[in-house]
Amino acid sequence: AQKVTQAQTEISVVEKEDVTLDCVYETRDTTYYLFWYKQPPSGELVFLIRRNSFDEQNEISGRYSWNFQKSTSSFNFTITASQVVDSAVYFCALSVGGANSKLTFGKGITLSVRP
Amino acid sequence: GAGVSQSPSNKVTEKGKDVELRCDPISGHTALYWYRQSLGQGLEFLIYFQGNSAPDKSGLPSDRFSAERTGGSVSTLTIQRTQQEDSAVYLCASSLNLRYEQYFGPGTRLTVT
Repeated sequence: AQKVTQAQTEISVVEKEDVTLDCVYETRDTTYYLFWYKQPPSGELVFLIRRNSFDEQNEISGRYSWNFQKSTSSFNFTITASQVVDSAVYFCALSVGGANSKLTFGKGITLSVRP
Repeated sequence: GAGVSQSPSNKVTEKGKDVELRCDPISGHTALYWYRQSLGQGLEFLIYFQGNSAPDKSGLPSDRFSAERTGGSVSTLTIQRTQQEDSAVYLCASSLNLRYEQYFGPGTRLTVT
């Protein structure tokens, strides 16, 4: 069975601080995909990134960066110089096996960025 | 282009009634998913359609829940004899064949009174 753990439930930072959201996953499959989604107060889940199990290269997209480490089964997400608009619930998710598999989500982390 | 759309956006129903929730996926997306989001259970997978293959129903919580996808496009999730524990936001998502990102709709908030 697959499992995603987001141990942090709520994080509050002041604008311009850096913040890291942790994600730890469990699976026995060797082929799997990891995702981060953002759910702003409006409610709609927004896709942020996908990473497959064979690609451990870290990725940076603007103020966002992701650190994938298979050795610790972690896929952490860092927001640099946070902004109020980053306030949202962030979900880490896992899919295994073939294409378009169902997602197993973590419980989500509520990030509040104060001005 | 247009994203995933869902209707209605809100539905209030009495316990014991049947409800139908609709999802219009992104045009050209062959995979369609239903999830449920509730405070107690978080985000849970319900069912998944991929092209003409048999759907993966492994997440449906009981036989009161069913879904169909007509013509490989629009999907309807039906909940029969609704219970209060069915109250949740029901999310639909779609993805392109051979790609892995799922794009989500705005959801239908179901309240069972």
